[in-house]
Amino acid sequence: QQQVKQSPQSLIVQKGGISIINCAYENTAFDYFPWYQQFPGKGPALLIAIRPDVSEKKEGRFTISFNKSAKQFSLHIMDSQPGDSATYFCAASTRFSGGYNKLIFGAGTRLAVHP
Amino acid sequence: ETGVTQTPRHLVMGMTNKKSLKCEQHLGHNAMYWYKQSAKKPLELMFVYSLEERVENNSVPSRFSPECPNSSHLFLHLHTLQPEDSALYLCASSQDVRSTDTQYFGPGTRLTVL
Repeated sequence: QQQVKQSPQSLIVQKGGISIINCAYENTAFDYFPWYQQFPGKGPALLIAIRPDVSEKKEGRFTISFNKSAKQFSLHIMDSQPGDSATYFCAASTRFSGGYNKLIFGAGTRLAVHP
Repeated sequence: ETGVTQTPRHLVMGMTNKKSLKCEQHLGHNAMYWYKQSAKKPLELMFVYSLEERVENNSVPSRFSPECPNSSHLFLHLHTLQPEDSALYLCASSQDVRSTDTQYFGPGTRLTVL
């Protein structure tokens, strides 16, 4: 119930194309869904995040689509660029026993954008 | 840069060695975290500290021993590790462990256990 399932494991997109990464969860208590971007040799960095009271959030070329009834959310990268090549992690957060918030991460998607 | 630094960046150790990983955050946050990142596996939360008090020990073997002397520094002491402990160890911080604040990650320490 605490898992977040992410797909695909790897993705190759041509420059200018749309990259789509999907995540699914079971725990309806999750209330915050961030996406992290990680470049080689760096730690993950927050890219964009959404709460379940909205169905979509857009920041520049990055959009999160959220389907509460299906318990799924996805990251869309429009006009993908070679500089977007990185590993992307979805995550979900909820308050656990002890009163603190905990992030549960998906397994990651390695995106390669070819020129 | 995220304001979270980790040293060393790379570490190779034998199974009988004792070593320590260090993390420092310059963001004025109250919460600090240790994560383990293995190939093709989700990030695994190991320990959570809130204002120097440990609030989570996520079933981590005792060969990993955390220490948080103040809200800016976090250590992970390692002893008698196994080869399967080889991974990237990430430190993160956030403003408050009780809110859904952004977690800021350091660059990690790449650990290899021989």
